[in-house]
Amino acid sequence: EDQVTQSPEALRLQEGESSSLNCSYTVSGLRGLFWYRQDPGKGPEFLFTLYSAGEEKEKERLKATLTKKESFLHITAPKPEDSATYLCAVQEGSNYQLIWGAGTKLIIKP
Amino acid sequence: DTEVTQTPKHLVMGMTNKKSLKCEQHMGHRAMYWYKQKAKKPPELMFVYSYEKLSINESVPSRFSPECPNSSLLNLHLHALQPEDSALYLCASSQVGVPGLNTEAFFGQGTRLTVV
Repeated sequence: EDQVTQSPEALRLQEGESSSLNCSYTVSGLRGLFWYRQDPGKGPEFLFTLYSAGEEKEKERLKATLTKKESFLHITAPKPEDSATYLCAVQEGSNYQLIWGAGTKLIIKP
Repeated sequence: DTEVTQTPKHLVMGMTNKKSLKCEQHMGHRAMYWYKQKAKKPPELMFVYSYEKLSINESVPSRFSPECPNSSLLNLHLHALQPEDSALYLCASSQVGVPGLNTEAFFGQGTRLTVV
């Protein structure tokens, strides 16, 4: 069964304390892996798409990486405004549907 | 421009009311989606339109009726909803999937629906 698991469920960091969020997946044929950021009561904001193992993408303090089994979202020297829920979703085969992880709630304390 | 616009932002409706949610995008995307999201859960797919035709209906109750009048607009008509239908309703759009092209979905800010 296709599955996407994110860990940890919640992560509290001090401002400037770097860390990583994990998204592990089991799908028969990965078409794309997507990272989104979601603030409370708002729609998910697109961050990155990764298509193949070894691919990396960066945006400001965020860097996403992909292997054949998992993706990491590395956050370097985070700021309080990086606090949000980070969602990972996987697109499999020719399906439009996204298989979503449950998200990691990230809290950055000043 | 990666904007998907949803109206209204908030909606309170009684169980006998009829209302509609609206979504608009001008990115030239030919796939549009309705999602439902409950608190602390990921989005749950309801409907997918591809080239203005309904391609996926995730066994959604008939009290939710989608409509795609043209390539930029997507509506969700609501009738006889139940309190458990209260949720954040999200519209999204993407390019139609072609291998090698970006198929990421861009989401609107959602409509917070409360059924009383």
